Amino acid sequence: EAGVAQSPRYKIIEKRQSVAFWCNPISGHATLYWYQQILGQGPKLLIQFQNNGVVDDSQLPKDRFSAERLKGVDSTLKIQPAKLEDSAVYLCASSLEGRPLFFGPGTRLTVL
Amino acid sequence: EDQVTQSPEALRLQEGESSSLNCSYTVSGLRGLFWYRQDPGKGPEFLFTLYSAGEEKEKERLKATLTKKESFLHITAPKPEDSATYLCAVAGNNFNKFYFGSGTKLNVKP
Repeated sequence: EAGVAQSPRYKIIEKRQSVAFWCNPISGHATLYWYQQILGQGPKLLIQFQNNGVVDDSQLPKDRFSAERLKGVDSTLKIQPAKLEDSAVYLCASSLEGRPLFFGPGTRLTVL
Repeated sequence: EDQVTQSPEALRLQEGESSSLNCSYTVSGLRGLFWYRQDPGKGPEFLFTLYSAGEEKEKERLKATLTKKESFLHITAPKPEDSATYLCAVAGNNFNKFYFGSGTKLNVKP
């Protein structure tokens, strides 16, 4: 069974630039999550989708972050404009109802 | 508010020196507690799910236990390849919402 796929793996941008991350969840997993992980901390939920609807985006900085999940499968997370404090690893995860999360490899973002 | 606290933040062990990592939690209606291993530059890798107090799970040198307030990850005779950050997460009444601790960074010296 293929795992969660993410791209790119690494991205370096200047502050105020925009960036987008892509995620393909495990086939059949209805719930998709985007997490932000700052070095030395645990993952922090940014947004949670159930199929193609948003379940929880209470911690998403909506003035600069946006996310969508097309046709209930792939998802993209965008940051525009980026700030220095957005430097982190962005993790995508998916799950079945009542089952553990399975994570992708993450995208390491560096904002200069 | 649902919360997960892990201790210690970092742990250094000699190869073969057994120890335990702690995960204490407050959650409305625990539906599951999860342990993950995270290697540098990688996403967290699922290890165990525990559903109710008294439950135990084992995998190689790792054993996870659960009480009503905390979980322990026991590492028996660790090897250098066990070095990683171990994350704990809980799911409460809304089973699809997960709360993570900050992790314990384990370093096992040969």
